[in-house]
Amino acid sequence: QLQLQESGPGLVKPSETLSLTCTVSGGSISSSSYYWGWIRQPPGKGLEWIGSIYYSGSTYYSPSLKSRVTISGDTSKNQVSLKLSSVTAADTAVYYCAKHQGVVVVTPFDSWGQGTLVTVSS
Amino acid sequence: EIVLTQSPGTLSLSPGERATLSCRASQSVSSSDLAWYQQKPGQAPRLLIYGASSRATGIPDRFSGSGSGTDFTLTISRLEPEDFAVYYCQQFGSSPFTFGGGTKVEIK
Repeated sequence: QLQLQESGPGLVKPSETLSLTCTVSGGSISSSSYYWGWIRQPPGKGLEWIGSIYYSGSTYYSPSLKSRVTISGDTSKNQVSLKLSSVTAADTAVYYCAKHQGVVVVTPFDSWGQGTLVTVSS
Repeated sequence: EIVLTQSPGTLSLSPGERATLSCRASQSVSSSDLAWYQQKPGQAPRLLIYGASSRATGIPDRFSGSGSGTDFTLTISRLEPEDFAVYYCQQFGSSPFTFGGGTKVEIK
């Protein structure tokens, strides 16, 4: 059974870079040939797609965050990572990693991690 | 960017009643590119419906989706206690992949 687990600092200072890792177990991010995405949810608010990556490195980013986001994959560790630079309080959210349903990016998210809360504060 | 507007914001119903949730898109969305998710407090979203009307694995048949173009509907035929949650629609055919603001289904 596929499991996704986000990890990283729960507190980040303004202007610094938020770094999170999603560890996938029960399946390989390379051999399964799916896209993997990051989604965030500010406390009490709705969902926002951040970006997605294929194991080969092909990436898609939300235009509103593209200038600050980098998503990468490490097939040797079976991990997908998110970096968001120059954070502000508006970046405070629960961050989820999720698997796209299909081998193309234009598919919904059918497996999700439990999410990790990141607070931006000095 | 395609904006998805969900209505109503909150739906107050009793167990056993029928729930009808709406998702309206600011421009036409292919039916194959529309999904619905359920989210309970403290949990990650769960995929319910994809392709506007196909149930995801393990989703009971009291959940159904319909619609096309700019108007989509999620129907829960008879509410069970575990169905009280927040529901989101999502389009993934056009980047950025956007979500609606959610409809909360609460116990009346």
